[in-house]
Amino acid sequence: ETGVTQSPTHLIKTRGQQVTLRCSSQSGHNTVSWYQQALGQGPQFIFQYYREEENGRGNFPPRFSGLQFPNYSSELNVNALELDDSALYLCASSDRRDRSYEQYFGPGTRLTVT
Amino acid sequence: SQQGEEDPQALSIQEGENATMNCSYKTSINNLQWYRQNSGRGLVHLILIRSNEREKHSGRLRVTLDTSKKSSSLLITASRAADTASYFCATDDRGTDKLIFGTGTRLQVFP
Repeated sequence: ETGVTQSPTHLIKTRGQQVTLRCSSQSGHNTVSWYQQALGQGPQFIFQYYREEENGRGNFPPRFSGLQFPNYSSELNVNALELDDSALYLCASSDRRDRSYEQYFGPGTRLTVT
Repeated sequence: SQQGEEDPQALSIQEGENATMNCSYKTSINNLQWYRQNSGRGLVHLILIRSNEREKHSGRLRVTLDTSKKSSSLLITASRAADTASYFCATDDRGTDKLIFGTGTRLQVFP
């Protein structure tokens, strides 16, 4: 088990609604990355936050946004939900001072959009 | 988009047998990592191999990397039912710490 936690575990939303997912990083980690994993696929990089600023973004539209707080925890916000947003959302924390490149993943939030 | 493909997509073996999974990727890398995922839960880091390494071992795991063929393999020896999971390779994105994952191999180990 890593020290990364995510909430909620499961979430059901209706198309057009907005959702906020939360992630607490492992103690001492200053970087949080978010990934979307559709059923049967590998995770896809959404964006990364380092020192409260976005530090790289994957191929996701602007309705996917995020925040990182001074304690390094993070939020992922998705506006105007679409059916294809149904997926497992994973956050991963890491420490940029540690050049091991290893990321520590949380258990994920399963989002279902109906 | 995915970095590459993993092969096979699914693998079923008996306990005690070895399991080999292959990963191909498209761009130059600094390192390649293997992760394990149990039934739609979070990913667990297994092993990292750097681009200047050819082989690495960790317990029952053996990873090889061939940068000329842009491919890697993960061998799990003496498999156990508890090894049943999906296995993903992930590469760094242009030398950053952002990961690009493959499509995964679903491994089923029967007792």
